Amino acid sequence: EAGVAQSPRYKIIEKRQSVAFWCNPISGHATLYWYQQILGQGPKLLIQFQNNGVVDDSQLPKDRFSAERLKGVDSTLKIQPAKLEDSAVYLCASSLKRGGGLAGYEQYFGPGTRLTVT
Amino acid sequence: AQTVTQSQPEMSVQEAETVTLSCTYDTSENNYYLFWYKQPPSRQMILVIRQEAYKQQNATENRFSVNFQKAAKSFSLKISDSQLGDTAMYFCAFMAYNDMRFGAGTRLTVKP
Repeated sequence: EAGVAQSPRYKIIEKRQSVAFWCNPISGHATLYWYQQILGQGPKLLIQFQNNGVVDDSQLPKDRFSAERLKGVDSTLKIQPAKLEDSAVYLCASSLKRGGGLAGYEQYFGPGTRLTVT
Repeated sequence: AQTVTQSQPEMSVQEAETVTLSCTYDTSENNYYLFWYKQPPSRQMILVIRQEAYKQQNATENRFSVNFQKAAKSFSLKISDSQLGDTAMYFCAFMAYNDMRFGAGTRLTVKP
């Protein structure tokens, strides 16, 4: 079974530029998450999708961050314009479904994209 | 709001020995899930072990086991027979209603 795919693995941009990250979840997984992991910290949830609908985006800085999950499969996360404090690893994860016991809640993570804003 | 605290930023252990990583959490929920994730230098987060709050029996996965104390809101991870490949960041995570919260992590180094 293929895991969660993310690209690119690394990205370096200047502040005020824009950047986009792509995620392909595990086949059949209804729920998709984007996390931001700043160096030395645990992952922080940015946005959660259930199929192609947003479930939780309360911690997404909506003035500069946007995300979409067209057709309920792949997802893109965009930052425009980027700030220095956006330097972090952006992790994508997916889980089978919202309910249905513990197995449905387990999240599987991709390798992440390391963003450096200079 | 749920919070997860890992009080040990760094730990080290000799190969083949046992180490315990601490985790406490704060919640008013009664039904929730707890996880330990491993993040090696390659960055891929890997699920190590999980526990359902309504189960009293502690979860075990090969060399990994947990000590779940619900009343104390404690969820520690014990790694037995430590191996060099266990060197990684370890994150404790709490989930209720599909809202996952992570601790700040513990960096574990296994020494040869």
